[in-house]
Amino acid sequence: GAVVSQHPSRVICKSGTSVKIECRSLDFQATTMFWYRQFPKQSLMLMATSNEGSKATYEQGVEKDKFLINHASLTLSTLTVTSAHPEDSSFYICSARGTGAPGGIYEQYFGPGTRLTVT
Amino acid sequence: GENVEQHPSTLSVQEGDSAVIKCTYSDSASNYFPWYKQELGKRPQLIIDIRSNVGEKKDQRIAVTLNKTAKHFSLHITETQPEDSAVYFCAASMTYDYKLSFGAGTTVTVRA
Repeated sequence: GAVVSQHPSRVICKSGTSVKIECRSLDFQATTMFWYRQFPKQSLMLMATSNEGSKATYEQGVEKDKFLINHASLTLSTLTVTSAHPEDSSFYICSARGTGAPGGIYEQYFGPGTRLTVT
Repeated sequence: GENVEQHPSTLSVQEGDSAVIKCTYSDSASNYFPWYKQELGKRPQLIIDIRSNVGEKKDQRIAVTLNKTAKHFSLHITETQPEDSAVYFCAASMTYDYKLSFGAGTTVTVRA
């Protein structure tokens, strides 16, 4: 199947600093990438949708100035958590869908996730 | 937006028995229904999916059924094994934006 990588897998940062998470589709063109947040023992909550070359669309309640998303190419999207606070500590997962993926237009391929801890 | 409800939240079964998880969705425009298995600290893994033009799909021990009229779909795991223990999520999406709305998840424990 298609492969999506995510980096870093774990990051610890101090309150007030910014953290960048990268999501890459390795063997297909990711027309659309999605960013999710998952708190312990909870479901995945969609934060935003990004289409290559255009501005991200944020879900209700997600601060666009705090969670900056860039989808500059068909294989890379980045999520920057700005001025991080302890309540931003979570598991962040990206997914991608697009042309050339074996599952067709519907299937999303998930990255391995990034565990963010803000101290 | 789409609202997906999932039941039960926890499910404990004896090895070899069947497990059934049920989901309902609210938006009749949803047309793609995947099921994911997630182990602790790992990414969700697609185990089976179904599209709205199909009522049932089976892959070895796993099957999914879809009732579009009632707006519900179910996951059936037969002959459960300890390695089936995980959290299972249902989801729904529509063609026009492909956004996935997830259910709350079901923690399945298979007792040996």
